[in-house]
Amino acid sequence: DGGITQSPKYLFRKEGQNVTLSCEQNLNHDAMYWYRQDPGQGLRLIYYSQIVNDFQKGDIAEGYSVSREKKESFPLTVTSAQKNPTAFYLCASSPTGKETQYFGPGTRLLVL
Amino acid sequence: QKEVEQDPGPLSVPEGAIVSLNCTYSNSAFQYFMWYRQYSRKGPELLMYTYSSGNKEDGRFTAQVDKSSKYISLFIRDSQPSDSATYLCAQGNYGGSQGNLIFGKGTKLSVKP
Repeated sequence: DGGITQSPKYLFRKEGQNVTLSCEQNLNHDAMYWYRQDPGQGLRLIYYSQIVNDFQKGDIAEGYSVSREKKESFPLTVTSAQKNPTAFYLCASSPTGKETQYFGPGTRLLVL
Repeated sequence: QKEVEQDPGPLSVPEGAIVSLNCTYSNSAFQYFMWYRQYSRKGPELLMYTYSSGNKEDGRFTAQVDKSSKYISLFIRDSQPSDSATYLCAQGNYGGSQGNLIFGKGTKLSVKP
């Protein structure tokens, strides 16, 4: 089955800890995105990548980092610099030349 | 300014009702419009995608775009309890920041049996 997978479904972070959220797609899409969703806030873009080994900051990149070493994978690291990390994190991908984005199931990050 | 405004609801309707969900947008340069459905604690699912003004129909769903008024709508006919979800409208721009979408905050819909 083609699609986008995110893991884990739930993630707990301790104070001062970096955590990494996984996003994998087998849709052969070039572009991948990370969003953060908070209640009442809608989707906010953290980082996006249109091609392997290249990525750009979105609207709320501070406290986050990404890598794009493979076309299929776009992991997001929530660093200790992100002071309010509790949120629902969504990964998406889109094919080249298309505006439509397809989302994964999400990871819920909670702070202990 | 790039914004998509959407009434957050919640909107509650009886089963079988016609539902109208609406968004307004400010940036005319963004020419593509999408509707996503998001069930609780799940990722958004693409429902409808349209570029031109007018109506696009897919089963019980109709997407309508009025570029002169900067108004987009999603109509759901014969609504079902399984339609209960949050509906997100989105606006996209081809070229420049290709693939970047501007999302509304979502309207929560509840269809009562």
